Amino acid sequence: GAGVSQTPSNKVTEKGKYVELRCDPISGHTALYWYRQSLGQGPEFLIYFQGTGAADDSGLPNDRFFAVRPEGSVSTLKIQRTERGDSAVYLCASSPSGLAGGNEQFFGPGTRLTVL
Amino acid sequence: SQELEQSPQSLIVQEGKNLTINCTSSKTLYGLYWYKQKYGEGLIFLMMLQKGGEEKSHEKITAKLDEKKQQSSLHITASQPSHAGIYLCGAPSTSSNTGKLIFGQGTTLQVKP
Repeated sequence: GAGVSQTPSNKVTEKGKYVELRCDPISGHTALYWYRQSLGQGPEFLIYFQGTGAADDSGLPNDRFFAVRPEGSVSTLKIQRTERGDSAVYLCASSPSGLAGGNEQFFGPGTRLTVL
Repeated sequence: SQELEQSPQSLIVQEGKNLTINCTSSKTLYGLYWYKQKYGEGLIFLMMLQKGGEEKSHEKITAKLDEKKQQSSLHITASQPSHAGIYLCGAPSTSSNTGKLIFGQGTTLQVKP
């Protein structure tokens, strides 16, 4: 497929558990973004990767959240000790270069996380 | 921090009617993106505006950017049921050059056949 893909599409977990969310960006896109969208709200920025490095992680809410992109392609968002407040749709987007004001961000379908 | 405010929050129109959605920024806009989202799905790119006064159209949707007012509008002409969904405006954050987007809260559009 040519678009951004995310797995799983839905994840239900119990409070306190660990979860991993995966994002496959468009091939060749160096920039990758994670956003979180709560019901009735717009997406909120979490973290930005340029290549393999996290260039901006200022949106991560606390140290329970961590993301990696070891080979500059696939990224995994990891959440430890999940809380009910972590329930949201987690969106991944990729862009050719990540420069401000120039490049469209292509979004994946999201992973709906529910913490019981 | 920069905020984007969309109005109205929700809208119900009769098929065939025109409508406008507004997006106002608390800070200077250096570009503005419009996306559409169906419930439970990702964001579909509609248009990107980069310069003040710029206007773009795609099919029956027109978007404009007014830099002085720090505002963008999205206008749909002769609405159809296929236009229903959540419309989101997003702007590059003024506090970084990473391209991360700040989004409005969304406008939910229903089109009655």
